[in-house]
Amino acid sequence: AQTVTQSQPEMSVQEAETVTLSCTYDTSESNYYLFWYKQPPSRQMILVIRQEAYKQQNATENRFSVNFQKAAKSFSLKISDSQLGDTAMYFCAFRDIYNFNKYYFGSGTKLNVKP
Amino acid sequence: EAQVTQNPRYLITVTGKKLTVTCSQNMNHEYMSWYRQDPGLGLRQIYYSMNVEVTDKGDVPEGYKVSRKEKRNFPLILESPSPNQTSLYFCASSFLGQGAGNVKNIQYFGAGTRLSVL
Repeated sequence: AQTVTQSQPEMSVQEAETVTLSCTYDTSESNYYLFWYKQPPSRQMILVIRQEAYKQQNATENRFSVNFQKAAKSFSLKISDSQLGDTAMYFCAFRDIYNFNKYYFGSGTKLNVKP
Repeated sequence: EAQVTQNPRYLITVTGKKLTVTCSQNMNHEYMSWYRQDPGLGLRQIYYSMNVEVTDKGDVPEGYKVSRKEKRNFPLILESPSPNQTSLYFCASSFLGQGAGNVKNIQYFGAGTRLSVL
């Protein structure tokens, strides 16, 4: 089975600063999808960004960008100009394309943005 | 509005009393899935379904049942709940497919169901 590891249970950042959340995964497949989801206190799961493994270019969505290192099996999320509304739990997720209905999630990183 | 609807949002029950958590989506998605979320463990897949009458086990299926009689609905059934099934549950749906740049691999989540089994 694939595994997804988030080694930072909790992080803090000052408003307007930049923070990077780390994620590593383990797979023997060459093609797959990676995601970052945000879960605010409302508990809703919100897709932040996604990356297709066969694309070398790192995905970006406004203030959110990823550093995808396929050989190292690393998929970190960078949040620039952090805002109070970014305070949430962040989950890294892996989708196995060859067994494409299986999703694997990391244990999450709780991000606190301080004013 | 495209959405995944779960009911109830909160449920307190007692050990052994059968319960059903409903999930419905209005996006004509083929794929639906149930997850449970526990502190320190993230989300773990319970069951998933590729289409009507097609279901399969995820990583933690013990103690749960599902059915997919209609495309839009995917209920989660706990025949005899136990305290270790106290958790936050999410239903999700998506299209199938692996096309580059399309939305087929995006899962849409319901708002969650907080279940407590006493």
